[in-house]
Amino acid sequence: DAKTTQPNSMESNEEEPVHLPCNHSTISGTDYIHWYRQLPSQGPEYVIHGLTSNVNNRMASLAIAEDRKSSTLILHRATLRDAAVYYCILRDDFQAGTALIFGKGTTLSVSS
Amino acid sequence: GAVVSQHPSRVICKSGTSVKIECRSLDFQATTMFWYRQFPKQSLMLMATSNEGSKATYEQGVEKDKFLINHASLTLSTLTVTSAHPEDSSFYICSAEVTPRSPEQFFGPGTRLTVL
Repeated sequence: DAKTTQPNSMESNEEEPVHLPCNHSTISGTDYIHWYRQLPSQGPEYVIHGLTSNVNNRMASLAIAEDRKSSTLILHRATLRDAAVYYCILRDDFQAGTALIFGKGTTLSVSS
Repeated sequence: GAVVSQHPSRVICKSGTSVKIECRSLDFQATTMFWYRQFPKQSLMLMATSNEGSKATYEQGVEKDKFLINHASLTLSTLTVTSAHPEDSSFYICSAEVTPRSPEQFFGPGTRLTVL
């Protein structure tokens, strides 16, 4: 599985935008970029995913570099409930039954 | 979205006993389920991939005779930790695919196992 690199931690203030970076220089052509987050003592939850184009959903936006070697998860207005570990994961979605392989992720702290 | 449940949410057992953890997809059928464990302040580590009606595929270093996985139906997978020891104490999490090649996986809430 292609590897991703994320900062260990980031801090934000409530109601401010947060940009969470992820480097994936060895991404292959069939790898999708997935973001999941895990709140304390809970299972991870899906945030967003994309292949080449930028993506938006109700939770966040995903900005993907033109060469696909990096991406940024954007939380437009952070809330206290967004404090979690955010994982950037590459997965070949063209293959059925492929597990998500988690790295260390970025621990996001949000202050009021 | 689809819901995955786990039971029990937490369990405390004595060393040497076996513990069964259930993972259910509540409103969809899951051909494939995955089992992870997570030690404190660490990331999730994939243990095995469970396919309905067939043997599970274990990751390197995971003892298949110790962590028995059964995926007997499209909505239920079980993980049995046999002869549990204190080092097996961990947070066990399952996930499921709604359909093959579905981009989103749904995770259960996790089971906290403490072995005394």
